[in-house]
Amino acid sequence: DVKVTQSSRYLVKRTGEKVFLECVQDMDHENMFWYRQDPGLGLRLIYFSYDVKMKEKGDIPEGYSVSREKKERFSLILESASTNQTSMYLCASSSSYGYTFGSGTRLTVV
Amino acid sequence: RKEVEQDPGPFNVPEGATVAFNCTYSNSASQSFFWYRQDCRKEPKLLMSVYSSGNEDGRFTAQLNRASQYISLLIRDSKLSDSATYLCVVNPYLIQGAQKLVFGQGTRLTINP
Repeated sequence: DVKVTQSSRYLVKRTGEKVFLECVQDMDHENMFWYRQDPGLGLRLIYFSYDVKMKEKGDIPEGYSVSREKKERFSLILESASTNQTSMYLCASSSSYGYTFGSGTRLTVV
Repeated sequence: RKEVEQDPGPFNVPEGATVAFNCTYSNSASQSFFWYRQDCRKEPKLLMSVYSSGNEDGRFTAQLNRASQYISLLIRDSKLSDSATYLCVVNPYLIQGAQKLVFGQGTRLTINP
């Protein structure tokens, strides 16, 4: 089974901090994605990467950046965390059979 | 207009009932269609793909109507364990060969004993 691992399940950070969310997949997938999920808004795509060092903006990239230095690892960076970035963050990798998600990181910015 | 629209529910039905979810999508060029299931405080997981001819997996049946841009999921003989949020998911296009999936808000289903 494909495994997508997110490094933290819960995080609490202060406003203005730089935050790193890490995601690792073990199936050599080329495509990886970061979503955030909020009540009433569903899942929204922040960024995705289709190859090492390659990235594309999703629907809500503002306030975020990403890094993909190795194929298995895709990092989401909050440059200066704000309270409106409090959310559930989900990483996924994909094959032609669909996406596999990590278990999510619930980030609270105080 | 949202790219993928679902009735958010909640749906509360008794065990053993048949329940149907509907979903519409706005991009007529969409290529692939899926239903995902998300349990409370868990990540979404693929339930089934949806094919033009319709497809069935045990008690679950998915249908696609491209002309009406409409997808459905039918659950027969519902079980308590079917309680979850069901996400309608559409792939409107490929970017650099990557499927960019768009998710509906989800429909919350509770099966009551």
